[in-house]
Amino acid sequence: GEDVEQSLFLSVREGDSSVINCTYTDSSSTYLYWYKQEPGAGLQLLTYIFSNMDMKQDQRLTVLLNKKDKHLSLRIADTQTGDSAIYFCAERKYGNKLVFGAGTILRVKS
Amino acid sequence: GAGVSQSPSNKVTEKGKDVELRCDPISGHTALYWYRQSLGQGLEFLIYFQGNSAPDKSGLPSDRFSAERTGGSVSTLTIQRTQQEDSAVYLCASTDLGGVDNEQFFGPGTRLTVL
Repeated sequence: GEDVEQSLFLSVREGDSSVINCTYTDSSSTYLYWYKQEPGAGLQLLTYIFSNMDMKQDQRLTVLLNKKDKHLSLRIADTQTGDSAIYFCAERKYGNKLVFGAGTILRVKS
Repeated sequence: GAGVSQSPSNKVTEKGKDVELRCDPISGHTALYWYRQSLGQGLEFLIYFQGNSAPDKSGLPSDRFSAERTGGSVSTLTIQRTQQEDSAVYLCASTDLGGVDNEQFFGPGTRLTVL
């Protein structure tokens, strides 16, 4: 099937690291994405990783890719209350169509 | 510059009525997508337009759903004889296929409620 799977909920304390996990389905996917959706807002691209990379770091964000297990993770260092949102993992399929997971709700407690 | 815009932002309709949702993509973006986000679920692909090619309609859930893109710019998603299960947020995205990562830029969505 086309299911991209994510855990539904993650709660962390402000200042801790957050790790959001995702498993995808298509080993031939070329790009994998993390999108952020804040309440009442559209989706915002946070970061992406090309399939020939194992890791990508962008300020507080670190993306790890394990192609063998088709596992993707997003680590947010020094999590802030403004990071509270829903995070979607997505893989790019043939025709540039994105297949999204159901989203992980990140709650940051101060 | 201007991002992707959608209208209306909210639409409440009665079961059985037809609705039209509009998307204005980023100027110059050749590809346009419609997705649906139902409560507690991820985004579901509906339809994809790329330039003058025939659209990829593989995600449309039934023949009550149709979309068109006029002049390679504005797109309209039409739902005929709406049902309660059509209630969702409908998101439009556009992308410049000449870009490096083909990032899809999303609009704020139209929240459709079918009573």
